[in-house]
Amino acid sequence: AQTVTQSQPEMSVQEAETVTLSCTYDTSESDYYLFWYKQPPSRQMILVIRQEAYKQQNATENRFSVNFQKAAKSFSLKISDSQLGDAAMYFCAYRSPWKLIFGTGTRLQVFP
Amino acid sequence: EAGVAQSPRYKIIEKRQSVAFWCNPISGHATLYWYQQILGQGPKLLIQFQNNGVVDDSQLPKDRFSAERLKGVDSTLKIQPAKLEDSAVYLCASSNTSGPSYEQYFGPGTRLTVT
Repeated sequence: AQTVTQSQPEMSVQEAETVTLSCTYDTSESDYYLFWYKQPPSRQMILVIRQEAYKQQNATENRFSVNFQKAAKSFSLKISDSQLGDAAMYFCAYRSPWKLIFGTGTRLQVFP
Repeated sequence: EAGVAQSPRYKIIEKRQSVAFWCNPISGHATLYWYQQILGQGPKLLIQFQNNGVVDDSQLPKDRFSAERLKGVDSTLKIQPAKLEDSAVYLCASSNTSGPSYEQYFGPGTRLTVT
């Protein structure tokens, strides 16, 4: 069965600095999608970024980028120029073919 | 475009009572999901509908939970009777399965407290 592990329950970063959130997963499949979701205190999940496993190029969305290491089954999220609005729970998720499996989340605090 | 709507936002009940949650997905989205998110954990899929048919309900506690999506649009999740361990946020999501990555759009959730 597929599993997703986020080993950092909490992280903190200074405003304008860079932070990296870690995620590892376990699967025997070769084709899948990986996602990072953000869940602010209001609880509505928002998609931050997605990565297709067959694409070697790391996905980037503005200040958010990933480091996808398929062989190592690692999928980390880098947030550059952190802003106060980035404070939230971040969930890594694996999807194949339609079912999303989430990690336990990392709470990110951003300090001014 | 309107997002996924859920109601109520909060519900407090006593154990052994029943409760129902409602979800209206994004217009045109054929796939609807119900997730349970216990405090401190990631969401766990309870049931997935494709139109009005069930695709996956393997993690739905069928002795007490039921869900329906009669006309392939909105959906209701029911718990009867509730247990203390059912206290959680219940998230509804929908997706347009014709999209390239089947992105799921989430509603605001219903926070259930069972006392």
